[in-house]
Amino acid sequence: DTAVSQTPKYLVTQMGNDKSIKCEQNLGHDTMYWYKQDSKKFLKIMFSYNNKELIINETVPNRFSPKSPDKAHLNLHINSLELGDSAVYFCASSQGGRLEAFFGQGTRLTVV
Amino acid sequence: DQQVKQNSPSLSVQEGRISILNCDYTNSMFDYFLWYKKYPAEGPTFLISISSIKDKNEDGRFTVFLNKSAKHLSLHIVPSQPGDSAVYFCAASVSDSSYKLIFGSGTRLLVRP
Repeated sequence: DTAVSQTPKYLVTQMGNDKSIKCEQNLGHDTMYWYKQDSKKFLKIMFSYNNKELIINETVPNRFSPKSPDKAHLNLHINSLELGDSAVYFCASSQGGRLEAFFGQGTRLTVV
Repeated sequence: DQQVKQNSPSLSVQEGRISILNCDYTNSMFDYFLWYKKYPAEGPTFLISISSIKDKNEDGRFTVFLNKSAKHLSLHIVPSQPGDSAVYFCAASVSDSSYKLIFGSGTRLLVRP
């Protein structure tokens, strides 16, 4: 059983489109995250939810909107996609204030 | 401004020898440090962590050393195995309620058979 799963694994789309990436964790964790790995391979946090409440919102364009319907799910919706949004997006989860996060396999988004 | 730096993009080591991966940080507020390992097309996997109240933490073949005065940490892998070939990321955090990890850019380790 995959602990943190993201769908889709690959996403190719045109500029201006709206797309969503889904994430689910079956670890019973109370905190979920979205990280972005850019072309320089840096992993940077975008959002964090704790018990469905947004606790971290980094300087991300408001075209990016996370949604957490329950503690096990954190989806990422992106409006009006731009070329610069091309990256690998990782979902992660952790429990009880522990910083050891478990990551999904990533979603490679390519905007053409 | 990079708060966590891994200055060696790559490292090649013979199987059975020690691998030493280095990480420097600039933010003196960081009090918790982690190492992650990443294979291609997979997400990062947690490897080992250390709190700033310690200077060493060991788990099997993996040991992390922390030098707070130098703002430097290192990961030692002994003995290195070909399966250890991966990208290793150093991460740091302030262990308040922010749950935020700041990652370095990674070091690609190649363990030669």
